[in-house]
Amino acid sequence: GQQVMQIPQYQHVQEGEDFTTYCNSSTTLSNIQWYKQRPGGHPVFLIQLVKSGEVKKQKRLTFQFGEAKKNSSLHITATQTTDVGTYFCAGQETSGSRLTFGEGTQLTVNP
Amino acid sequence: DTGVSQDPRHKITKRGQNVTFRCDPISEHNRLYWYRQTLGQGPEFLTYFQNEAQLEKSRLLSDRFSAERPKGSFSTLEIQRTEQGDSAMYLCASSSWTSGSKTQYFGPGTRLLVL
Repeated sequence: GQQVMQIPQYQHVQEGEDFTTYCNSSTTLSNIQWYKQRPGGHPVFLIQLVKSGEVKKQKRLTFQFGEAKKNSSLHITATQTTDVGTYFCAGQETSGSRLTFGEGTQLTVNP
Repeated sequence: DTGVSQDPRHKITKRGQNVTFRCDPISEHNRLYWYRQTLGQGPEFLTYFQNEAQLEKSRLLSDRFSAERPKGSFSTLEIQRTEQGDSAMYLCASSSWTSGSKTQYFGPGTRLLVL
């Protein structure tokens, strides 16, 4: 079955440093979605990438979808303490079907 | 609040008991999904519905698990004869199949602890 791998599992940064998490699917995806989960919370939707090679930005967050639609990355510039949480990528093989989540990257930011 | 809602938010039960969780999706969404998340892991897919039809079930959904969406609106997930390994957060999500980006929006989850 489809597998989605995400690295690193943990990332500790000083406030102001950059952060990147990488996601790789075993199969070609229809789209990939990114979620953020705060401790004790539930996944909150950040963005969806659909097109090959797509790049989207949300303020300090930059999301990329690979040309082969099998990998993706999330980059945060100049982290802030409010960025703390676990970031998950989730792939869909077919639009509207099940999401297959990566293991997540837990980000901690030291002030 | 027009987001996905789940009830109860927390449930403690003894091994062998049955439990039922409810999910109310965003009102115009016709697809509803159930996921399970254990500590330190990403959510794992259990099943999903389009309107009242259950379209897919994961191998994780053993015979003790059953989900329904009788009128195509809210859904229930029942676990019979609970086991300690069922302890997890059960997440519900919904999406619109007929329009938009088909993004899945998650509810706050039901945290189950089986003693």
